[in-house]
Amino acid sequence: DTGVSQDPRHKITKRGQNVTFRCDPISEHNRLYWYRQTLGQGPEFLTYFQNEAQLEKSRLLSDRFSAERPKGSFSTLEIQRTEQGDSAMYLCASSLGTDQPQHFGDGTRLSIL
Amino acid sequence: GENVEQHPSTLSVQEGDSAVIKCTYSDSASNYFPWYKQELGKRPQLIIDIRSNVGEKKDQRIAVTLNKTAKHFSLHITETQPEDSAVYFCAAPPGGTSYGKLTFGQGTILTVHP
Repeated sequence: DTGVSQDPRHKITKRGQNVTFRCDPISEHNRLYWYRQTLGQGPEFLTYFQNEAQLEKSRLLSDRFSAERPKGSFSTLEIQRTEQGDSAMYLCASSLGTDQPQHFGDGTRLSIL
Repeated sequence: GENVEQHPSTLSVQEGDSAVIKCTYSDSASNYFPWYKQELGKRPQLIIDIRSNVGEKKDQRIAVTLNKTAKHFSLHITETQPEDSAVYFCAAPPGGTSYGKLTFGQGTILTVHP
């Protein structure tokens, strides 16, 4: 499968714990995006990378959130001190460049107990 | 930033009928408009997209039309089938930047009755 892959598919954790998600984009795609989707809503932009550079962060991304793409390939999204409101589907997408089709992964569903 | 409004929020049709979903956007400099289909528990899947230099694009039973003057674009599905039932999202990037991030509409739940 050469599509975008995300790991884990599901994460259940207690409030206050830290969690980390991984995204592997389509291999030749230099752009990688993170979105968050809650039930009944469209995906909301969180942050994006061009190669290893993080070029924009949404105001939705509080200081508890951090994302990296150290070698310009896979990316990680970490949430520290999780809160109930962090429960959502975290989606990763990748594309070949600006205004090129973005292809999504299956997402990581985060549930905070 | 970009604001995308999508209507209707739910759409119910009989198999074989046509379905139309409309989106309006706020940033006149936006130049790329994709449509995604999301089935329950699955990833958003790109089904068609259109660029601002084109007024219409068609792919089998799916078409998208763009009216730049009015700042709206629409998804048309003809000869609907039960497997078309899903949530459909429109999206647009902010214009005037090279970021490519997408602002999504609120989604339309399409139900096709056999």
